[in-house]
Amino acid sequence: GESVGLHLPTLSVQEGDNSIINCAYSNSASDYFIWYKQESGKGPQFIIDIRSNMDKRQGQRVTVLLNKTVKHLSLQIAATQPGDSAVYFCAENTRRQLTFGSGTQLTVLP
Amino acid sequence: NAGVTQTPKFRILKIGQSMTLQCTQDMNHNYMYWYRQDPGMGLKLIYYSVGAGITDKGEVPNGYNVSRSTTEDFPLRLELAAPSQTSVYFCASSYNSWAGSTDTQYFGPGTRLTVL
Repeated sequence: GESVGLHLPTLSVQEGDNSIINCAYSNSASDYFIWYKQESGKGPQFIIDIRSNMDKRQGQRVTVLLNKTVKHLSLQIAATQPGDSAVYFCAENTRRQLTFGSGTQLTVLP
Repeated sequence: NAGVTQTPKFRILKIGQSMTLQCTQDMNHNYMYWYRQDPGMGLKLIYYSVGAGITDKGEVPNGYNVSRSTTEDFPLRLELAAPSQTSVYFCASSYNSWAGSTDTQYFGPGTRLTVL
């Protein structure tokens, strides 16, 4: 998993398996969270977001879970594909600014 | 829409040189941001702007300046380049519908800057 400020952890999964990427945030006042995907040499790309009044949100093949009690956020990717290989960042909104975690490198194995 | 565009893609500077990183968005977003990303790390906010004529410091503003004369453009200026400014710089924009809200930020492709 990942915490804001730590160096890059890694996660390897088999193609077709589900991936779970974790993120711990520190500010209990944060009210908005986003997951971004960053492929090598590119800018971050929005995947999914969730506001603090929700505990789950689903997109296409992705689900974000928010546990405010333990200040934990996770991104679940169903049926992981080779194109999902990238660095995934969580970001939390604090004082109208986004604070990014250091990211998790996801590698999809054939 | 082209989204957020940045120029140049790559640049090498000598210590003490200056340059401007360009950023343009065509989505009519009111908020714009500059981040830097060091290897293996997350993004750190340098400066942001909530509208034309209004800018504010982020987490790491030292050594940088910005201006926002139009909605579309948000250039980042490095006056005296230092090796510590070697990084990848990303510009982003968002449409914030009310003060205090934060909506999705859309990022440009980045500028890779090396200071030697």
